Amino acid sequence: EDKVVQSPLSLVVHEGDTVTLNCSYEVTNFRSLLWYKQEKKAPTFLFMLTSSGIEKKSGRLSSILDKKELFSILNITATQTGDSAIYLCAVSGSSNTGKLIFGQGTTLQVKP
Amino acid sequence: GAVVSQHPSRVICKSGTSVKIECRSLDFQATTMFWYRQFPKQSLMLMATSNEGSKATYEQGVEKDKFLINHASLTLSTLTVTSAHPEDSSFYICSARDGGTDTQYFGPGTRLTVL
Repeated sequence: EDKVVQSPLSLVVHEGDTVTLNCSYEVTNFRSLLWYKQEKKAPTFLFMLTSSGIEKKSGRLSSILDKKELFSILNITATQTGDSAIYLCAVSGSSNTGKLIFGQGTTLQVKP
Repeated sequence: GAVVSQHPSRVICKSGTSVKIECRSLDFQATTMFWYRQFPKQSLMLMATSNEGSKATYEQGVEKDKFLINHASLTLSTLTVTSAHPEDSSFYICSARDGGTDTQYFGPGTRLTVL
């Protein structure tokens, strides 16, 4: 059965800290891994990763995929209170429909 | 970036009534759209996959006669919750797949409250 597991499930840090969020997966015929940020409404897209070892970066956020070890990390440097959110990892697998399998999410709280 | 809209953003209805939620991809064509529901402090639960011009594919345990999905065009999918009951109260989110980039973009969600 395809599954995506995120860790930690929740995290509390102070502004300025660096955090690393983990996502491991077991999926038949892996196509891509996506990271989303969810605040009060629906998830907003952060990154899509398809190739191992290529870091994707957007401002203070970066992500990388390891297809051999079947995991990805999302790094946030110099965290701000606005980074507080649920971070969702999702994987697109064997079906060509684009159906995503979501992890449980990591709830990040950044304190001033 | 790609934009997906959902309407309405919030709806309150009486038990037994039907509610229609629209999902539109505004700047790209989406051959596939997805409908999710999300309970508080939980991750997204896929309800169904909607393909333009064909019947939706429902996930196990989702009643297709209760959650009617129509994908009439490449930019519009609708979810109708029929004969809504309080246990249907939830946050319903749609997403649209951009076939060119194979990325899913989410709508802002619809908060349904059934009294």
